[in-house]
Order: sequence, then C-alpha cells, then structure tokens
Amino acid sequence: DTAVSQTPKYLVTQMGNDKSIKCEQNLGHDTMYWYKQDSKKFLKIMFSYNNKELIINETVPNRFSPKSPDKAHLNLHINSLELGDSAVYFCASSQGPGYTFGSGTRLTVV
Amino acid sequence: DQQVKQNSPSLSVQEGRISILNCDYTNSMFDYFLWYKKYPAEGPTFLISISSIKDKNEDGRFTVFLNKSAKHLSLHIVPSQPGDSAVYFCAASRIYNFNKFYFGSGTKLNVKP
Repeated sequence: DTAVSQTPKYLVTQMGNDKSIKCEQNLGHDTMYWYKQDSKKFLKIMFSYNNKELIINETVPNRFSPKSPDKAHLNLHINSLELGDSAVYFCASSQGPGYTFGSGTRLTVV
Repeated sequence: DQQVKQNSPSLSVQEGRISILNCDYTNSMFDYFLWYKKYPAEGPTFLISISSIKDKNEDGRFTVFLNKSAKHLSLHIVPSQPGDSAVYFCAASRIYNFNKFYFGSGTKLNVKP
C-alpha cells in the first residue's frame, strides 16, 4: 500500500495545454508539499500545505495552482504549459522533519 | 542562489570500502540536516538526520558528521554494499521550520561488487 502516491507517473503534453498532477497520502500526515526537480537536479520547494491551508508559496508562476480538498490530497494544476516547465515533480508529506516522497511525475512539454 | 551544495555529482567505491558523501551549506541559520537516498524511478527516502547540537549521528552502517564552523556535513557508509548504489541528497532547514527544506543536487554513488 503506497504511502504517498502521485499520478500520472509520466506526462507528455504540448505547450499551451493545461494539466493536473494528483497526490494522495495515507499516512495521516498534516503537511503536504510539491517539490520540483529541475534540470540541475536540485529539489526545490514550490508549495506547502498544512491541514489544507497554504503555508508556503515559493516564487512560482501563477500558472501553477495547488489545491488541497482535504489533508490527504494535494493536487497541482498547471495552466498554459511552457517548455521550461519540463521537470520531475515530487509530492511529499510529513509530520515532523522527515518527508515521505511520492515516486515523482516526469512532465515533458513539447 | 543554492544554499545547499553537493559538489561531487558522482562517486564510485568498491564494495566493503567506505563511501564518503559531502555536502556544504551557506546559511549559518540552518540547524537541522537530513540525508535522503533515491533509487531510479522512486522518490527520495529518508536515511538519517542530525541537529546542530550534535556533531555526529550514527545509525548502523550510516554516520553523519556535522562541522558547523565549516558549514559542512558528510555521510559515511561503512562498509559499502552494492545495494547502496543510489543518488544521495542532503537537505537543510531551520529547526523551527521543517516545512521548508533546502536540498542539494545529489551525489550518485556507485558501489562496485
């Protein structure tokens, strides 16, 4: 039973499209995150939610909109996709310092 | 500006020997550090942590050393095993703000049988 699951695993789409990535955790954690692994392999935080409330919103274009319907879910919607959005996106959850990550969604914008 | 840096993108070690992975940080306010291990097509998994009140933390074959004055930490794996082959990320934060960790770019460790 996967602790943090995100779908889809791979996403190939054209520039200008709108797409969503879903994330669910069954650990009962209060906090969930979206991280982006860029071309230089750094993992950078995008958003953090605690009990459905946004607590961290890094310098991310407005085209990225997270939505947390409940504390077990944190979805990421991206409008008007650009080539530079191509990356691996990781969802994570935590109850304290150690994060549990999902397996990632590799987004390729063509 | 990257506040956590792992300057060695890769490391190759013989099975049974010691693996030493290094990490440097620039923000002197960081006081909590973690190492994660990542296999291909999987998310990073938590390995070991250390807070700034300690300079060493050990868990089985894994030991993390922290040198606060040098803003440097290292992960030692002894003895290295082929199953340790993975990408290792270090991460740092302030102890009151576990919601925001800064990650390095990772070091790919290859342990040769």
